[in-house]
Amino acid sequence: DSGVTQTPKHLITATGQRVTLRCSPRSGDLSVYWYQQSLDQGLQFLIQYYNGEERAKGNILERFSAQQFPDLHSELNLSSLELGDSALYFCASSVGGTSNTDTQYFGPGTRLTVL
Amino acid sequence: AQSVAQPEDQVNVAEGNPLTVKCTYSVSGNPYLFWYVQYPNRGLQFLLKYITGDNLVKGSYGFEAEFNKSQTSFHLKKPSALVSDSALYFCAVRMFSGGYNKLIFGAGTRLAVHP
Repeated sequence: DSGVTQTPKHLITATGQRVTLRCSPRSGDLSVYWYQQSLDQGLQFLIQYYNGEERAKGNILERFSAQQFPDLHSELNLSSLELGDSALYFCASSVGGTSNTDTQYFGPGTRLTVL
Repeated sequence: AQSVAQPEDQVNVAEGNPLTVKCTYSVSGNPYLFWYVQYPNRGLQFLLKYITGDNLVKGSYGFEAEFNKSQTSFHLKKPSALVSDSALYFCAVRMFSGGYNKLIFGAGTRLAVHP
């Protein structure tokens, strides 16, 4: 168990809908990262927040947004969902924000299915 | 271009035999390299990382990895494979891309250990 928690474990929804994925980092970690894992794209970095502020951006679509709250938990919002958004969404956390040597610890993921 | 590659989609090995999962990288500057393992329906688990120092890095579950600067490789190894090692293995490199420091993952290698 990495100490990173994600809810829900599974989510089934329809095209055009909006969902929110939630992540709680390990105790003491200030950074939260979101990744998307799909069969065709592999593991793709979406976005990072550090202590409430956006720190780095990856291949995140405009339909997706995230935020990190004062208690350091984070939410990833996915809107106008398309079939291609079906994937595993992982959250990871690390102690710092910009260090190249920090280890990221991953949560169990949320499996999103868009019908 | 900066990248990380795992040249084998799948590696098959008999239980008790040594295993190697290959990873090569192409980054400017010092490479910071990581290995993660993903068991079915689970999140990624951190195995080990290379930051600096000794080229042979020891990690969890008896795994180790050898950093080779001249060959730009960071192969994952284990002297004696177990059936329970069967999983998906990801190599990752921390690199500066798109204006940010990001953890970029290889496509993954599926390890199958046969009894």
